[in-house]
Amino acid sequence: EDQVTQSPEALRLQEGESSSLNCSYTVSGLRGLFWYRQDPGKGPEFLFTLYSAGEEKEKERLKATLTKKESFLHITAPKPEDSATYLCAVQVSGGSNYKLTFGKGTLLTVNP
Amino acid sequence: DSGVTQTPKHLITATGQRVTLRCSPRSGDLSVYWYQQSLDQGLQFLIQYYNGEERAKGNILERFSAQQFPDLHSELNLSSLELGDSALYFCASSYGGLGDTQYFGPGTRLTVL
Repeated sequence: EDQVTQSPEALRLQEGESSSLNCSYTVSGLRGLFWYRQDPGKGPEFLFTLYSAGEEKEKERLKATLTKKESFLHITAPKPEDSATYLCAVQVSGGSNYKLTFGKGTLLTVNP
Repeated sequence: DSGVTQTPKHLITATGQRVTLRCSPRSGDLSVYWYQQSLDQGLQFLIQYYNGEERAKGNILERFSAQQFPDLHSELNLSSLELGDSALYFCASSYGGLGDTQYFGPGTRLTVL
């Protein structure tokens, strides 16, 4: 069974304090790994898609990386507006089921 | 704004009732996905439609059903509602499916009393 585990469950940072969120996955074959940001009561907002090991993508203070077993979301010099739940999801290859399997998320709080 | 719209935003109903949630995908997207998000289970895939046809099913209860219409909007029907059905229901859309990014709507919050 496909599994996605995110750690830590919650992370509290001071403004400017860089850190990383982890997403480890166990799947039969990876088609893509997706990162989303979700604010309370809102829909997930797309951040990045990674397709192969070694791939990296950046957007403002965020950088996502992918290995064969896990992905990291690096947050550089975070600001309070980066506070949100960050969700990782995988899409497996093969078949016609294009569903995303999500982790439980990491709740990030950035204090001013 | 993802371009995916969902109505209603909030829905409060009683046990045993039936409700319909509506989703309009982004312009040009052919696939629609439904997900349920509860506090203990996280985001769970329910069902996927592609260009009007059911493509895949997840952990969708038999009391739940969905369809995608010729104009590509989709409806999720929930019947014989139970307290445990209270959750956020999200619709997402993508162009084709495999490998495509899924863009999520704002969700419908269902409360069953």
